[in-house]
Amino acid sequence: NAGVTQTPKFQVLKTGQSMTLQCAQDMNHEYMSWYRQDPGMGLRLIHYSVGAGITDQGEVPNGYNVSRSTTEDFPLRLLSAAPSQTSVYFCASRGGSYNEQFFGPGTRLTVL
Amino acid sequence: DAKTTQPTSMDCAEGRAANLPCNHSTISGNEYVYWYRQIHSQGPQYIIHGLKNNETNEMASLIITEDRKSSTLILPHATLRDTAVYYCIVRAGGSNYKLTFGKGTLLTVNP
Repeated sequence: NAGVTQTPKFQVLKTGQSMTLQCAQDMNHEYMSWYRQDPGMGLRLIHYSVGAGITDQGEVPNGYNVSRSTTEDFPLRLLSAAPSQTSVYFCASRGGSYNEQFFGPGTRLTVL
Repeated sequence: DAKTTQPTSMDCAEGRAANLPCNHSTISGNEYVYWYRQIHSQGPQYIIHGLKNNETNEMASLIITEDRKSSTLILPHATLRDTAVYYCIVRAGGSNYKLTFGKGTLLTVNP
């Protein structure tokens, strides 16, 4: 299993640009989520999904959209990038023997 | 989910046991204690979790006090690769999937 994969690893955007961060998992997990991590901070939940076709907001959803058309994929869309969205973004899926969360390697986004 | 309190940082000598404390005085009866760690620049990694009883796996041991208001994560023989931020998280079981991360404890294992 590849686990949770994220693309791209790094991205630089200009203010106002849009982009999609990709996340995929091959473990057939129903639950997936997106977090952001700012320097010196813990992770904050952006959006999550409990299954295909179902999404909900987390702690910091403004400026981000998600959709879940398949079990495997959970893309995160930045509609109009702002410097405040400069962060490291982690995708996670939940499953396994202990229902623990598996995190991807992260996408490092800089908005100029 | 109950709030947790952890020290900002700790040091440990390589080969010695690392004991990381966590206070969760407002924990309720259906809430589990989870531990994750994040090695620099990587995604968080699950370590262990428990409800009431002490737990042990290949990575660590988790000691939960009888009143469940605090817990300790024990890495029995710390190595340099255990240097990471350790997060103690309390969350309800069942369909509540959300994890609320605080700032965690930066454990530095010294040679």
